[in-house]
Amino acid sequence: KQEVTQIPAALSVPEGENLVLNCSFTDSAIYNLQWFRQDPGKGLTSLLLIQSSQREQTSGRLNASLDKSSGRSTLYIAASQPGDSATYLCAVVTGRRALTFGSGTRLQVQP
Amino acid sequence: GAGVSQSPSNKVTEKGKDVELRCDPISGHTALYWYRQSLGQGLEFLIYFQGNSAPDKSGLPSDRFSAERTGGSVSTLTIQRTQQEDSAVYLCASSLATGGTGTQYFGPGTRLLVL
Repeated sequence: KQEVTQIPAALSVPEGENLVLNCSFTDSAIYNLQWFRQDPGKGLTSLLLIQSSQREQTSGRLNASLDKSSGRSTLYIAASQPGDSATYLCAVVTGRRALTFGSGTRLQVQP
Repeated sequence: GAGVSQSPSNKVTEKGKDVELRCDPISGHTALYWYRQSLGQGLEFLIYFQGNSAPDKSGLPSDRFSAERTGGSVSTLTIQRTQQEDSAVYLCASSLATGGTGTQYFGPGTRLLVL
């Protein structure tokens, strides 16, 4: 059974810092990995999708990497802003074709 | 529409009553998913529809839960004889790609509270 772990569970940083969120998964036979953002009381917003054949994806200040063989992904956020404060979720698709989620990293960026 | 929509946004019901939750996927998306987000369990998969294929119901927690998708578009998730442990946010997602290979776009969710 696929298990997804995210570290740290919570993170507080001052505005302007670069930061890294970590995600690991136990079954490397994934189709893709997706990073989401969730604001309090809201649904999920897709940030980046990395297919299993890819190593990284970039969107603006966000960069996600994937090392499928070791079961790891990182989300790098450059020059963090207070508006980046949210919970970040990592999820993978395996044989069942649906997402298996980690428990998330709650990020607070202090102005 | 511009995104996935869900209704109602909030639902309060009494234990033992039936509830129906609705999802309107993005137009043209053939894949539709239901997930549940609760405090104790995090985000968990419930059911997956892909085109005209039989749905993958492997995530449904009990036979009180069922879902249908009419005309390959709108989906309804029904919970019969609701229990307090059914209280959660129910999220719907849709995807253009088949087989789970594409980005899943989520709706705002329905927050269900069973008293």
